[in-house]
Amino acid sequence: KAGVTQTPRYLIKTRGQQVTLSCSPISGHRSVSWYQQTPGQGLQFLFEYFSETQRNKGNFPGRFSGRQFSNSRSEMNVSTLELGDSALYLCASHGLGEKLFFGSGTQLSVL
Amino acid sequence: DQQVKQNSPSLSVQEGRISILNCDYTNSMFDYFLWYKKYPAEGPTFLISISSIKDKNEDGRFTVFLNKSAKHLSLHIVPSQPGDSAVYFCAASLNTGNQFYFGTGTSLTVIP
Repeated sequence: KAGVTQTPRYLIKTRGQQVTLSCSPISGHRSVSWYQQTPGQGLQFLFEYFSETQRNKGNFPGRFSGRQFSNSRSEMNVSTLELGDSALYLCASHGLGEKLFFGSGTQLSVL
Repeated sequence: DQQVKQNSPSLSVQEGRISILNCDYTNSMFDYFLWYKKYPAEGPTFLISISSIKDKNEDGRFTVFLNKSAKHLSLHIVPSQPGDSAVYFCAASLNTGNQFYFGTGTSLTVIP
């Protein structure tokens, strides 16, 4: 089975721009979650999608949004980027009752 | 509100000795616990898990202990190897299995 695939691997943006990150889950997994990792903050939960519906949401501002398509692929969007949005964004998928499988992440730098 | 806490940001251990990483949680409804290992600029990889119906689970050099009354779990690595140097995250989930709560991580350095 192919693992979780995230694109792009690296992104450099400037303040005020918007960005879209993509995630393809493991085949057969219908749940996709997004996490933000910054130094000292661990993995902060952004949101979780299941069958195209947002099922859980973390404590992030509305500038952070996501969606899931019928093939379970997911995108997350960050609008009006701020310097503090610089982080590693991780996507993870899991099947029913399974552990999370993570992608390699997208390293976003906001200048 | 951090429901899963790792109070030690870093730990250094000599090669061959035991590494003990600790994790505390606040929600007594958590029933599934996991440890992940993460290298820089990579996604976390699953290491070992334990269900709340158990108090110990072993996998090779890795053992996870769960103390439900203390809401505490620990990961033991014996013997520690330089390749074990990484950031370790503990995580917990409810029986719905929909959302996983992560700690802030402990950076382990194994000194050759």
